[in-house]
Amino acid sequence: KNQVEQSPQSLIILEGKNCTLQCNYTVSPFSNLRWYKQDTGRGPVSLTIMTFSENTKSNGRYTATLDADTKQSSLHITASQLSDSASYICVVSGGTSYGKLTFGQGTILTVHP
Amino acid sequence: EAQVTQNPRYLITVTGKKLTVTCSQNMNHEYMSWYRQDPGLGLRQIYYSMNVEVTDKGDVPEGYKVSRKEKRNFPLILESPSPNQTSLYFCASSYGGANVLTFGAGSRLTVL
Repeated sequence: KNQVEQSPQSLIILEGKNCTLQCNYTVSPFSNLRWYKQDTGRGPVSLTIMTFSENTKSNGRYTATLDADTKQSSLHITASQLSDSASYICVVSGGTSYGKLTFGQGTILTVHP
Repeated sequence: EAQVTQNPRYLITVTGKKLTVTCSQNMNHEYMSWYRQDPGLGLRQIYYSMNVEVTDKGDVPEGYKVSRKEKRNFPLILESPSPNQTSLYFCASSYGGANVLTFGAGSRLTVL
């Protein structure tokens, strides 16, 4: 069964600190992996999308890495801000159809002043 | 403004009363999809459509129907809603096949 597991489930950090979120997946065959940020009560917003051949991708203070061999990805947030408080969701495309998406349960990040 | 529009945003209904949640996008995207989000379970894909007249089941299609007669619209139909379909629903679209998704604002449905 295709699965996406994220860790930790929740994380509290102080403003200005860095953090790393993890995503492990078993989706096969693999098409691409995305990270989304979801503020409470709102639709997710894309941060990055990575294909099999990409190891690292940055979007401002967000840097995603992908190891397709070990089926692991991470999202590193640098110099966190209060506005980074949100749920971060890892999504993998692939399996029976590259239109089929499997979502992780998300990591809830809270940034305190 | 490029966007995905869902209606209604909030709805309370009763068991068995058919309802439709509309989804429309103005970006000429080929791919559209529906998701439900429940506490502790995250987002789960209900149905997706790679293009007009092409639809496929996601992980949780039971109790739902969709249609894609036009490129811009992808309605979600609950023929006989039940309380376990109480959830927050999101529609999303993307260029090509399941690339960067643009999500709607969500529709909160309560079935009594």
